[in-house]
Amino acid sequence: EVQLLESGGDLVQPGGSLRLSCAASGFSFSSYAMMWVRQAPGKGLECVSGLFGNGGGKFYIDSVKGRFTISRDNSKNTVYLQMNSLTAEDTAIYYCAKDRVSGDGMWEIDYWGQGALVTVSS
Amino acid sequence: DIVMTQSPLSLPVTPGEPASISCTSSQSLQYRNGNNYLNWYLQKPGQSPQLLIYLGSIRASGVPDRFSGSGSGTYFTLKISRVEAEDAGFYYCMQGLQAPITFGQGTRLEIK
Repeated sequence: EVQLLESGGDLVQPGGSLRLSCAASGFSFSSYAMMWVRQAPGKGLECVSGLFGNGGGKFYIDSVKGRFTISRDNSKNTVYLQMNSLTAEDTAIYYCAKDRVSGDGMWEIDYWGQGALVTVSS
Repeated sequence: DIVMTQSPLSLPVTPGEPASISCTSSQSLQYRNGNNYLNWYLQKPGQSPQLLIYLGSIRASGVPDRFSGSGSGTYFTLKISRVEAEDAGFYYCMQGLQAPITFGQGTRLEIK
């Protein structure tokens, strides 16, 4: 059974930093791209970043470029999202998500974690 | 970035009646292999999204057959043949052809 367990969500002041982790199990982690998708309160879904199974192919949406860094440790079956210079607009539930197909170069999501709440406020 | 547009944004439906949601993309989602990289998700209140349809028309495992997806290129449709109370929530289309992944705005299906 695929499981994705996020951690690291917290209340942080504007300008602060936070690192989210997502521990994966139930599949061959290193073979699959992983993504981070956020959902601001009462809003829709926004995929902020993703990377391939080998750690390449990283992408970011414009609003987080230069502030967020995605990475993975395939020996620990974990994907990370380092978030710096946080603003109120980054307040959201952050979901870890798994690609549906191994190594095809496309980005599809078949499994989602339960989410980690990040609140940026003074 | 590919822009995804859904309609309607709100859809009140009586149980037992059909429902339909459309999704258009700013560029074709069909790859040279013939696949359309368009997925549909349902997010029930207080839950994470769940995959309903992938590659435009293939039901994910465990999804009831009252859900169907169709379309190609830039126009896609999700249909529910007979809505049930458990189908309430927000429906999102998503393109996976090109990074960054982008979603439609979401359609709220409300049970009358």
